[in-house]
Amino acid sequence: AQKITQTQPGMFVQEKEAVTLDCTYDTSDQSYGLFWYKQPSSGEMIFLIYQGSYDEQNATEGRYSLNFQKARKSANLVISASQLGDSAMYFCAMRELSYNTDKLIFGTGTRLQVFP
Amino acid sequence: NAGVTQTPKFQVLKTGQSMTLQCAQDMNHNSMYWYRQDPGMGLRLIYYSASEGTTDKGEVPNGYNVSRLNKREFSLRLESAAPSQTSVYFCASWGTGRAPYEQYFGPGTRLTVT
Repeated sequence: AQKITQTQPGMFVQEKEAVTLDCTYDTSDQSYGLFWYKQPSSGEMIFLIYQGSYDEQNATEGRYSLNFQKARKSANLVISASQLGDSAMYFCAMRELSYNTDKLIFGTGTRLQVFP
Repeated sequence: NAGVTQTPKFQVLKTGQSMTLQCAQDMNHNSMYWYRQDPGMGLRLIYYSASEGTTDKGEVPNGYNVSRLNKREFSLRLESAAPSQTSVYFCASWGTGRAPYEQYFGPGTRLTVT
């Protein structure tokens, strides 16, 4: 079965510094997709970035980049130049696609706190 | 274009009461999902619907039923609420966005069962 692991329950970072949030995954599929979502205290789920398993380059979206290491099965999120508004829960997720299902499976999340 | 909408936003139930959570999307997506999020945990799939007229169980379906009324609407019903169903419920649908595939989420329903 597919699995997503986020081992950092909480992280602290100073404003303007970079931070890496860890994510490892387990799958036997060759084709898969990895996602990161942000959940601020207001509760909504905000899509940040996506990496396909066949994408040769690491995905980037503004200050977000995904450090994809396929052999290690890791998909870490890097936030550059942290801002106070980045304080939130961050979830890593993987798409699970089979003959009768197409869904996301989520990790348990990392709470990021940015301090001045 | 409202995306994914959910009603209600908040609900308090007593044990044994029933209620239906409503979800609608206006993006013409085929697949729709219901997740629950418990404190300190990620989202877990309750039920999903790959297309109009079909529904399937996810990881935690016990105590819930669903209806895919049409392509737009996917409702979640609690027939006899239990305190263990206190959670935040999210509806979602797949679509193409900035990613080749992106799951769009509704704002969530915070349910408390006393």
